[in-house]
Amino acid sequence: GAGVSQSPSNKVTEKGKDVELRCDPISGHTALYWYRQSLGQGLEFLIYFQGNSAPDKSGLPSDRFSAERTGGSVSTLTIQRTQQEDSAVYLCASSLVMYEQYFGPGTRLTVT
Amino acid sequence: GESVGLHLPTLSVQEGDNSIINCAYSNSASDYFIWYKQESGKGPQFIIDIRSNMDKRQGQRVTVLLNKTVKHLSLQIAATQPGDSAVYFCAENGAAGNKLTFGGGTRVLVKP
Repeated sequence: GAGVSQSPSNKVTEKGKDVELRCDPISGHTALYWYRQSLGQGLEFLIYFQGNSAPDKSGLPSDRFSAERTGGSVSTLTIQRTQQEDSAVYLCASSLVMYEQYFGPGTRLTVT
Repeated sequence: GESVGLHLPTLSVQEGDNSIINCAYSNSASDYFIWYKQESGKGPQFIIDIRSNMDKRQGQRVTVLLNKTVKHLSLQIAATQPGDSAVYFCAENGAAGNKLTFGGGTRVLVKP
């Protein structure tokens, strides 16, 4: 079946602009995660959705970052007033069984 | 704070040799560990996992070893192939909530 998909695959934006990144999880997966991966670095947890529970936003680096998950499926990560330090690959993962996360290919964000 | 780290950032190995990738963790509450493989331009891909009630688990050409006494995790790849060239991450579940904490990654380069 289809895996996790993310769009766009690449996004170049000017400093100060807002961006929206989309994640389509595997159908039926109740949990959805967003991570950030800077060049040559590990994965930094951003936010986690589980079913209808309130999301765990403990990893969001600032109030410029927000995410929502509509209908328990598609999720959008929004970064407002982008800064150059926001440049990174943003990865989405979904899971049905706890901790068994399946990752999408990521969105490479470049802020100029 | 609690963290998962790796001893070697880059590992060069001759094709056909065995590879060993090491990972240290500090959260004694972690009871589940995963190894992921990330190829260039792709999201991390699950390789193998292990629970804390085990000290060894084998997959296809891969073996994960867990030493809880010294909080050490390793991934052994037998007969390393060019397709094994990637960055390998370990992850643990000790953080609060249903989240994984990822290590910084080790790049494996397979020489022909």
